[in-house]
Amino acid sequence: GDSVTQMEGPVTLSEEAFLTINCTYTATGYPSLFWYVQYPGEGLQLLLKATKADDKGSNKGFEATYRKETTSFHLEKGSVQVSDSAVYFCALSLPMNRDDKIIFGKGTRLHILP
Amino acid sequence: KAGVTQTPRYLIKTRGQQVTLSCSPISGHRSVSWYQQTPGQGLQFLFEYFSETQRNKGNFPGRFSGRQFSNSRSEMNVSTLELGDSALYLCASSRGISYEQYFGPGTRLTVT
Repeated sequence: GDSVTQMEGPVTLSEEAFLTINCTYTATGYPSLFWYVQYPGEGLQLLLKATKADDKGSNKGFEATYRKETTSFHLEKGSVQVSDSAVYFCALSLPMNRDDKIIFGKGTRLHILP
Repeated sequence: KAGVTQTPRYLIKTRGQQVTLSCSPISGHRSVSWYQQTPGQGLQFLFEYFSETQRNKGNFPGRFSGRQFSNSRSEMNVSTLELGDSALYLCASSRGISYEQYFGPGTRLTVT
């Protein structure tokens, strides 16, 4: 069935380090892909999205490219900050007429050390 | 425009009781989805309502139910609470479930 797999955390990095959080998916059809972020004590917020192959989503210095050939949507940031500490969720959505669905990965907790 | 609001933010209940949580979506959004988030299971989809009809349902027992009103506001109900129901319950609204979701801050339910 359709699924999202993302790297398990926690991921701990020093400030200004390069970040990659891996996300791969299995889906029938042509999904849209999303990264959501959840800061402590809050709900999830959309971070970026891509709706078709080779699209690159970007926001707040984060980027992810929709790779159909490797069924991946890895999240990257060149220089992380302490304020990026949060839980990151990869998700896919499949509009299928009346059976639309969205599937979330389990989340990756990110700790950034000053 | 105003975001998704959830009430109450925190709730403490006893085993066997029932609870009703409320969600007000962003104006114009007709889809409301509910999720349960726990440290062990992560984010799990409960159900989705669109124009007062339940369109999708996750793998939860019948003790979990919901409804949506004509103004798109939604409620979820959990009957006969169990300790394992302690979780953060998140509501999200969107134009449709396959569109980007806008989440509320959640209701933290503790069952003792």
